[in-house]
Amino acid sequence: GENVEQHPSTLSVQEGDSAVIKCTYSDSASNYFPWYKQELGKGPQLIIDIRSNVGEKKDQRIAVTLNKTAKHFSLHITETQPEDSAVYFCAARMGKLIFGQGTELSVKP
Amino acid sequence: EPEVTQTPSHQVTQMGQEVILRCVPISNHLYFYWYRQILGQKVEFLVSFYNNEISEKSEIFDDQFSVERPDGSNFTLKIRSTKLEDSAMYFCASRGLPGEKLFFGSGTQLSVL
Repeated sequence: GENVEQHPSTLSVQEGDSAVIKCTYSDSASNYFPWYKQELGKGPQLIIDIRSNVGEKKDQRIAVTLNKTAKHFSLHITETQPEDSAVYFCAARMGKLIFGQGTELSVKP
Repeated sequence: EPEVTQTPSHQVTQMGQEVILRCVPISNHLYFYWYRQILGQKVEFLVSFYNNEISEKSEIFDDQFSVERPDGSNFTLKIRSTKLEDSAMYFCASRGLPGEKLFFGSGTQLSVL
């Protein structure tokens, strides 16, 4: 069935280091892949997205890569800061959005 | 920046009671969604709504659930007879045209006792 797998479930990095979160999806017809950041007690906030006709997209310290052949996509955060600490969800649009399990990112000062 | 508004932020109810969760989507949006998130788990799709009817629903969205757009601004989720396992954070979301970004509200934390 429709599924999105996300790894790792938790990630701890030192401030200034890079963080990488990876997702795989099952439906090859998926054409849109957003990433959401969720802070405690808040709703998911879109931070970056990529469409299937693009292999990479960058927005300041955040980048996303997409490998359609392998059906996986990744979020890269460079020069991490303590305020990057949150739960990050990947998602793939298969009609509706299907979310990954989430990654709890901790950035230690 | 326009935002999706949800009320109440917290709702406590007794098992078997009916609850209505309310949402005001972004004003020019056409597609509306409800998702839920059980504590510590992923965000799960419940239902999508377009042109005054349900366009898709998940297995979770059984006969106890219903959605309505009673006027031009509100979008509601009703749970007819709540169960303990309905306890979760419920998120409303909306988007404009197909392919546009999905915006989430801050959620309603539902606790069924």
